[in-house]
Amino acid sequence: DQQVKQNSPSLSVQEGRISILNCDYTNSMFDYFLWYKKYPAEGPTFLISISSIKDKNEDGRFTVFLNKSAKHLSLHIVPSQPGDSAVYFCAASHSNSGYALNFGKGTSLLVTP
Amino acid sequence: NAGVTQTPKFQVLKTGQSMTLQCAQDMNHEYMSWYRQDPGMGLRLIHYSVGAGITDQGEVPNGYNVSRSTTEDFPLRLLSAAPSQTSVYFCASREGYGYTFGSGTRLTVV
Repeated sequence: DQQVKQNSPSLSVQEGRISILNCDYTNSMFDYFLWYKKYPAEGPTFLISISSIKDKNEDGRFTVFLNKSAKHLSLHIVPSQPGDSAVYFCAASHSNSGYALNFGKGTSLLVTP
Repeated sequence: NAGVTQTPKFQVLKTGQSMTLQCAQDMNHEYMSWYRQDPGMGLRLIHYSVGAGITDQGEVPNGYNVSRSTTEDFPLRLLSAAPSQTSVYFCASREGYGYTFGSGTRLTVV
């Protein structure tokens, strides 16, 4: 059963606007959440993460928000750039499983000029 | 510092053949893992290792074998390839919370 869900397979945003990618999870044991970015024919690269003790983490144009009560997190990209076009994976982990990553199915973001 | 290196990048196998996907890291990470990615799916954990001599199964271990004789290397063996194992395979190593992934091996089983 998928414990991490990304219900939007794709998203298209104009350059300069905000991109919001959403992720839901079902396992309340998860205590660390990560976003990975993936270009075709490359491995995933780490983007940003957040611990369950926080509700927001910001790194430049990227901000991740965590709502533990709703078991929901989101990634905001402001402003969006054409180079941000990629597949974004949400992942969650918990210490009881050795921090093995549980991935969502990914959201393909297209930023148009 | 090469990070995580996977070889080969592409491979075509016939059903029933065996092969080994290689993974090496030069960051002295204790934790290494193998994932597979199928179309429309996220990455799924096959096997992982928390150090030399220690391995364990992930979510989808059937048909795969691993061993960890050194910190640097974590090969994934397909014992008898099946078309269902057609996928892109990623190796990753971890220090703390941060995972570093290799660039992947695209495997086709015909």
